[in-house]
Amino acid sequence: GAGVSQSPSNKVTEKGKDVELRCDPISGHTALYWYRQSLGQGLEFLIYFQGNSAPDKSGLPSDRFSAERTGGSVSTLTIQRTQQEDSAVYLCASSYNRAPGELFFGEGSRLTVL
Amino acid sequence: AQTVTQSQPEMSVQEAETVTLSCTYDTSESDYYLFWYKQPPSRQMILVIRQEAYKQQNATENRFSVNFQKAAKSFSLKISDSQLGDAAMYFCAYRSPGAGSYQLTFGKGTKLSVIP
Repeated sequence: GAGVSQSPSNKVTEKGKDVELRCDPISGHTALYWYRQSLGQGLEFLIYFQGNSAPDKSGLPSDRFSAERTGGSVSTLTIQRTQQEDSAVYLCASSYNRAPGELFFGEGSRLTVL
Repeated sequence: AQTVTQSQPEMSVQEAETVTLSCTYDTSESDYYLFWYKQPPSRQMILVIRQEAYKQQNATENRFSVNFQKAAKSFSLKISDSQLGDAAMYFCAYRSPGAGSYQLTFGKGTKLSVIP
């Protein structure tokens, strides 16, 4: 597709359930990022994938969060045993990993944990 | 670690007027990149303008321009002839140079309202 595609656009779940959020980056972009945007806050880095290299998971807030990227393209962010504080917009972005590093973002997945 | 501060949580401007959004950052690096992103209600972050620290000339994109003060570590965004479509959240972001420096550090954003 022409842009970064994320699904679902909105997800409401009950506390304790697992959720999966999907990101389809721009074709040819080697770098893929997940950010979390909580209400009234800026963007919090979660995880970064670059080609076949090991991902940088340093931003994941707990071991309930995990992500994978299959075939260097589509990525899935999984949140296990969701908590109310996980409610946020999860934004995915992709880029060519070279300076100056403009990121192209999707429209995000809004997660609401009841 | 780098930090980015946007001291104005909310701003408003009359249509056709000019507004300036503030951003300061903290870094020990001499070379880096700075960005302004716009986030409309659709949630999709859109790049407005970028500045390379080694360039002294302020970046300009149509009605958008920056005032980059490297010594003061300041990077403000000026929007001229404001339009209703400019209403959005604006985020300032910092990126270190080099292929291994891939993270953008964002400020907390400024919500801009445009008054008709």
